[in-house]
Amino acid sequence: NAGVTQTPKFQVLKTGQSMTLQCAQDMNHNSMYWYRQDPGMGLRLIYYSASEGTTDKGEVPNGYNVSRLNKREFSLRLESAAPSQTSVYFCASSADWQAYNEQFFGPGTRLTVL
Amino acid sequence: TQLLEQSPQFLSIQEGENLTVYCNSSSVFSSLQWYRQEPGEGPVLLVTVVTGGEVKKLKRLTFQFGDARKDSSLHITAAQTGDTGLYLCAGAKGNNRLAFGKGNQVVVIP
Repeated sequence: NAGVTQTPKFQVLKTGQSMTLQCAQDMNHNSMYWYRQDPGMGLRLIYYSASEGTTDKGEVPNGYNVSRLNKREFSLRLESAAPSQTSVYFCASSADWQAYNEQFFGPGTRLTVL
Repeated sequence: TQLLEQSPQFLSIQEGENLTVYCNSSSVFSSLQWYRQEPGEGPVLLVTVVTGGEVKKLKRLTFQFGDARKDSSLHITAAQTGDTGLYLCAGAKGNNRLAFGKGNQVVVIP
């Protein structure tokens, strides 16, 4: 039981390049989330998926797209990376969005955009 | 505007001392969670408090939810080096999203 896994762990991009961050959970959770964490800013929600087949914008969605591929997988895509997107990205999942929404986090992807 | 304010932002104490950190808001939450994050890792859930005035204990950690469900505190008794980390509080407002504070960075010196 791996919980929430994320790939890659580290990535360096040049401005304008694109990439997809992958996330998978094996806990049969309905809801999945993408956050970014920056020094002094805390965790900010980018996008979330309350259930398979649905996605919604969070607090800072600009420059990102997401795909809920199936119940297990939720990917985050940067179409044209910018230095402002240098951050640590965390994927999380929770069992039922109507409950306490206790979230389980992956280990993070550390992204640098040059 | 930050929905949840955590204080102090940084706290350094000697091993064996006690400490309390706070999470405050002007909003009411249906529940509040505390997470601990260690360097290079994702946050890990410690506890969820739901009822106003609720107190939960997790070994040497005591969590309290304010009577009005707007604030919370975390007290650590006889801190150990393994308690070092970033403590994050997060409030749920029933819309399947959590609002996170910026965290209390705790450093326990041996």
